[in-house]
Amino acid sequence: NAGVTQTPKFRVLKTGQSMTLLCAQDMNHEYMYWYRQDPGMGLRLIHYSVGEGTTAKGEVPDGYNVSRLKKQNFLLGLESAAPSQTSVYFCASSTGAGGGKSMNEQFFGPGTRLTVL
Amino acid sequence: AQSVTQLGSHVSVSEGALVLLRCNYSSSVPPYLFWYVQYPNQGLQLLLKYTTGATLVKGINGFEAEFKKSETSFHLTKPSAHMSDAAEYFCAVMNTGGFKTIFGAGTRLFVKA
Repeated sequence: NAGVTQTPKFRVLKTGQSMTLLCAQDMNHEYMYWYRQDPGMGLRLIHYSVGEGTTAKGEVPDGYNVSRLKKQNFLLGLESAAPSQTSVYFCASSTGAGGGKSMNEQFFGPGTRLTVL
Repeated sequence: AQSVTQLGSHVSVSEGALVLLRCNYSSSVPPYLFWYVQYPNQGLQLLLKYTTGATLVKGINGFEAEFKKSETSFHLTKPSAHMSDAAEYFCAVMNTGGFKTIFGAGTRLFVKA
């Protein structure tokens, strides 16, 4: 199993450009999440999904959109990038109820380092 | 609302010394509590978790943590630090029955030879 994978690993954008970050998981998890990590602020939830075709806003959703057309994929889009969106982005997934001893544990991808100039 | 406070953004210990990383939480309902570790340029991985039952939980790499409800704490310890323990550690809380997790700001552990 590859677990949680993220594409791309690094990206540099100019202000106003758009891009999509792809997250894929092969664990058949119901829940998926996008976080951003900034120094001294831990992880902050951007958007999340409780199942295929559903998405919801997290703590810091402004400037981002998401889609979950397939259970295994969760896409994060930046429509018009801003320097404040320079960050490391992590995708995570977790199983729902009945997930056994892994229930409630989040599995993380390796991250995408995004710089907006 | 739930919250997590990690005391100390940086902790430095000598190799072989006790590691103690502090975490206090706020939750209006019984929480699930987690410690995650992040090695450089990697994602987070679970060290240990408390859900129900025994309040002293053991995790990977010799780490353990004790849930103390009266102190709303979930401090992480390891008796003897190893150089490979150098990483950033995150405490996190989740409502029982929920799925969203609130993370602390993180504590970076340095291990001196």
